[in-house]
Amino acid sequence: DVQLVESGGGLVKPGGSLRLSCAASGFTFSSYSMNWVRQAPGKGLEWVSFINTDSNYIYYADSVKGRFTISRDNAKNSLFLHMNSLRAEDTAVYYCARDGAGAVAGTLLDYWGQGTLVIVSS
Amino acid sequence: QSALTQPASVSGSPGQSITISCTGTSSDVGNYKLVSWYQQHPGKAPKIMIYEVSKRPSGVSNRFSGSKSGNTASLTISGLQAEDEADYYCCSYAVSSTVVFGGGTKLTVL
Repeated sequence: DVQLVESGGGLVKPGGSLRLSCAASGFTFSSYSMNWVRQAPGKGLEWVSFINTDSNYIYYADSVKGRFTISRDNAKNSLFLHMNSLRAEDTAVYYCARDGAGAVAGTLLDYWGQGTLVIVSS
Repeated sequence: QSALTQPASVSGSPGQSITISCTGTSSDVGNYKLVSWYQQHPGKAPKIMIYEVSKRPSGVSNRFSGSKSGNTASLTISGLQAEDEADYYCCSYAVSSTVVFGGGTKLTVL
């Protein structure tokens, strides 16, 4: 079965940094593009970032560009999100999601993890 | 990267049909056949229901269907069932290889 398990969330002060991880299993991780999507408490979904299979194509939402960095380690079946200069508005549950349709961002987010909560507060 | 526009809530009785609209612009919904829809129950991760405007992933009931006209996409659920009560989000590929979600619609089954 396909499984995506996020980790690394927690409480961090404004201006701080955090690294999220997503461990993938049950499929050939290196063959799929991946995304990060977040959801602020009580709010809707917001796409954060996309990375293709070989990390050649990487895209970000304007709200995180220059502060967040997506990366992956295909040998370890892992996806990462490095978050710097965190703000209160970055508080959210962060989901990793597999892109089942190929190289175009966000076309078919067919599997999602359960999410990891990031709280940015002093 | 403005969010797509969805109604905040819709409701229907069991057995009825409802339609949720999703309005974007020529920079997203209007220019690409890459609209998807997600269902999210409280406390759960989203689940894909429709992709590429009208395609259903394996395992999704044929009571769910999607369409698009111009800058507006729609999700129709026929034969409403109690378990359909959830939040629904549209999503579209957009210019500059970004992705935009709608604000979400809460479906209540009366």
